[in-house]
Amino acid sequence: GAVVSQHPSRVICKSGTSVKIECRSLDFQATTMFWYRQFPKQSLMLMATSNEGSKATYEQGVEKDKFLINHASLTLSTLTVTSAHPEDSSFYICSATVLAGGPNEQFFGPGTRLTVL
Amino acid sequence: GESVGLHLPTLSVQEGDNSIINCAYSNSASDYFIWYKQESGKGPQFIIDIRSNMDKRQGQRVTVLLNKTVKHLSLQIAATQPGDSAVYFCAGPMDTGRRALTFGSGTRLQVQP
Repeated sequence: GAVVSQHPSRVICKSGTSVKIECRSLDFQATTMFWYRQFPKQSLMLMATSNEGSKATYEQGVEKDKFLINHASLTLSTLTVTSAHPEDSSFYICSATVLAGGPNEQFFGPGTRLTVL
Repeated sequence: GESVGLHLPTLSVQEGDNSIINCAYSNSASDYFIWYKQESGKGPQFIIDIRSNMDKRQGQRVTVLLNKTVKHLSLQIAATQPGDSAVYFCAGPMDTGRRALTFGSGTRLQVQP
């Protein structure tokens, strides 16, 4: 099956710093990537939709200036958490899909654990 | 938009027993649903999906049932094994035509040896 990787797997940073998380589709070209956030013992919540070559679409309540998303190629999307604060500590998960793919063709990455001190 | 929720937050079963995890949804226009398994510290893993024009679909040791009349779906795991211990989420399209998913609140399955 298709593989999606994320880097780093976990990161600890100081409050006020920025952190970049990469999401890569390793063996297929992803026309669309999604970024989800998951707080402890909670479900996944969609943050934004990232289409290659265009601006990301953010869900209501997600600050686009705080969570910068870049989808520069069909295999890479990045999420930058700017001026991170402890409340941004969470598990960030990306998924990648192909145009006109079926329900079983949305592939999730392993997640990135962000801890902001 | 879609709202997908689960009835039971934790399900504890004996190894070898069958497990049933339930899920309710609100958007009758959803054209498919998916079950995911998530182990601690990992991303969701696809288990099985079902189209809205079906009422049952079987996989290896898993069966998903869809009851559109009451907007309910379930995941049945046969002969539950310790490796099945995880959190299970149902998911559906966030809105008609969107690929983004909305997830239920999750059920933790604990398999007792």
